[in-house]
Amino acid sequence: KAGVTQTPRYLIKTRGQQVTLSCSPISGHRSVSWYQQTPGQGLQFLFEYFSETQRNKGNFPGRFSGRQFSNSRSEMNVSTLELGDSALYLCASSLNPGAGETQYFGPGTRLLVL
Amino acid sequence: SQQGEEDPQALSIQEGENATMNCSYKTSINNLQWYRQNSGRGLVHLILIRSNEREKHSGRLRVTLDTSKKSSSLLITASRAADTASYFCATDPTGGGNKLTFGTGTQLKVEL
Repeated sequence: KAGVTQTPRYLIKTRGQQVTLSCSPISGHRSVSWYQQTPGQGLQFLFEYFSETQRNKGNFPGRFSGRQFSNSRSEMNVSTLELGDSALYLCASSLNPGAGETQYFGPGTRLLVL
Repeated sequence: SQQGEEDPQALSIQEGENATMNCSYKTSINNLQWYRQNSGRGLVHLILIRSNEREKHSGRLRVTLDTSKKSSSLLITASRAADTASYFCATDPTGGGNKLTFGTGTQLKVEL
């Protein structure tokens, strides 16, 4: 079974631009979560989607948004990019959103904002 | 914000030795998970221990959980150079759904 895939793997943008990252979960997984990893703040939860609905949201500004499609694929969007948005963005999928579910991570998208 | 603190921040050992990493957290949890990350790549799930479990084994990995002390440890026995990576604990807080809160991580280096 294929793992979680994320595209693109690397991205360079300039301040003020917007970016869309894509995540395809493991086949059959219906819950998708997004995390941001930076050297200063570590790994931080962005949001979780299940059945095309956002179930949980982390403490990030409204510039960060996401959505999930009927096939469980998910996208996240960051508008008006700032230098501090440079990070590794990780997507994780799990079968269901319930507690105790193992989350499987993709390879990440490394975003550099210049 | 990160809930967990991991100790030590960095650990360097020789191949064949055991490596122990500790994780402390702050709130009630449903479960605690350990992940490995190689050189800023994706996270690989290692093991999940539920709040009603005290110890769990998987191959060369042994995880303990003490909910009264809000702490967990990961032991890697007979380490190999391929175990060189960063290790993170992640807590699944009570009522938090799939909202994992990660620790600060331990950088493990296993030398030949």
